[in-house]
Amino acid sequence: QKEVEQDPGPLSVPEGAIVSLNCTYSNSAFQYFMWYRQYSRKGPELLMYTYSSGNKEDGRFTAQVDKSSKYISLFIRDSQPSDSATYLCAMRREGSQGNLIFGKGTKLSVKP
Amino acid sequence: DAGVIQSPRHEVTEMGQEVTLRCKPISGHDYLFWYRQTMMRGLELLIYFNNNVPIDDSGMPEDRFSAKMPNASFSTLKIQPSEPRDSAVYFCASRTSGTYNEQFFGPGTRLTVL
Repeated sequence: QKEVEQDPGPLSVPEGAIVSLNCTYSNSAFQYFMWYRQYSRKGPELLMYTYSSGNKEDGRFTAQVDKSSKYISLFIRDSQPSDSATYLCAMRREGSQGNLIFGKGTKLSVKP
Repeated sequence: DAGVIQSPRHEVTEMGQEVTLRCKPISGHDYLFWYRQTMMRGLELLIYFNNNVPIDDSGMPEDRFSAKMPNASFSTLKIQPSEPRDSAVYFCASRTSGTYNEQFFGPGTRLTVL
């Protein structure tokens, strides 16, 4: 079993839809949870960052972490064509300065 | 700031040739990371440096891969000899010290080994 599992999609939604992206993980030591967005032919860029459990909201984006279920989610409200990208979850252990473990990414397409 | 700079952006080479990928991290960042991204395996950490010193190279696939960081503003990833299975996008990322500091990724080098 991989440490981080993420459905690769692709996921296609109409403009304005609510999008739900998810990852599961197996290592209970993970404490830092991130979502990166990667546009085609570009490097990943950090979108959301959460420590331990709970929710975090930033504009149209909400990140949720459920450590009891080892499950994290990213919700996008009022999705826009500009949200079309690949979304990668990433996580690391407490005290681990370097080793981010990434999911394979979910490719999202928002149709106008 | 120009961000993380990588060169070349694209590299096409033949099996058996030496390939050198280059990275200039963001000024002031003391961590540097090399990743490889493929459809099959996703984004994988190959090696990372702290203050120019290699900290963890457990992700380097085999001895054909080597990485150096001779100073704070330059790093190389070398593959010798290259093989078709090395074809991937190679990313360099950098960050500052601190718990919450994010990694900033470069644009990547797309390597094709024929």
